[in-house]
Amino acid sequence: AQSVAQPEDQVNVAEGNPLTVKCTYSVSGNPYLFWYVQYPNRGLQFLLKYITGDNLVKGSYGFEAEFNKSQTSFHLKKPSALVSDSALYFCAVRILEGYQKVTFGTGTKLQVIP
Amino acid sequence: EAGVAQSPRYKIIEKRQSVAFWCNPISGHATLYWYQQILGQGPKLLIQFQNNGVVDDSQLPKDRFSAERLKGVDSTLKIQPAKLEDSAVYLCASSEADQETQYFGPGTRLLVL
Repeated sequence: AQSVAQPEDQVNVAEGNPLTVKCTYSVSGNPYLFWYVQYPNRGLQFLLKYITGDNLVKGSYGFEAEFNKSQTSFHLKKPSALVSDSALYFCAVRILEGYQKVTFGTGTKLQVIP
Repeated sequence: EAGVAQSPRYKIIEKRQSVAFWCNPISGHATLYWYQQILGQGPKLLIQFQNNGVVDDSQLPKDRFSAERLKGVDSTLKIQPAKLEDSAVYLCASSEADQETQYFGPGTRLLVL
């Protein structure tokens, strides 16, 4: 079985400060990891993904994520938060080999305070 | 490039009524997904199509939910009869290939009274 956990329901950060949204995962194999963002009344938008290679993945809107195999984590980061980054962020995982549906986390609401 | 289209955007029905949602994926995308997103939760896969064949419907409540993608392009998800707990946002997504990056539509918000 595979699972993904987002331990924080909400993260508050001041505009201009660095932000981190946490994600840990569990798969019985090599993980294929994603981050999506959801703005109010809209569908999910792809931010970035990790398959193999460099542990630091860069994505859209200045976001990046660091894959840490020993800690089974894939935290989302941004050096300087913008008010427009306020949204709901979802981490997702699937096993890399063979078929397995993508499993989404419960989401973390990011609030960037002006 | 046009995105994933869904209609309607909102729907309010009474329990035991039926409802249908429509999705048109990005042109050329072979894989189509329907998700249910209940408030406060992440999306849950209901059904995945590869062209017009079903890849995974293990979490689809088949006694009341049905979906089809007859020509391998657009798709319809139906609920009959609806229950109160079906109130959710129904998201459609598509990808070029199985389980690659998914592109989501705006969703249909269903309220069952």
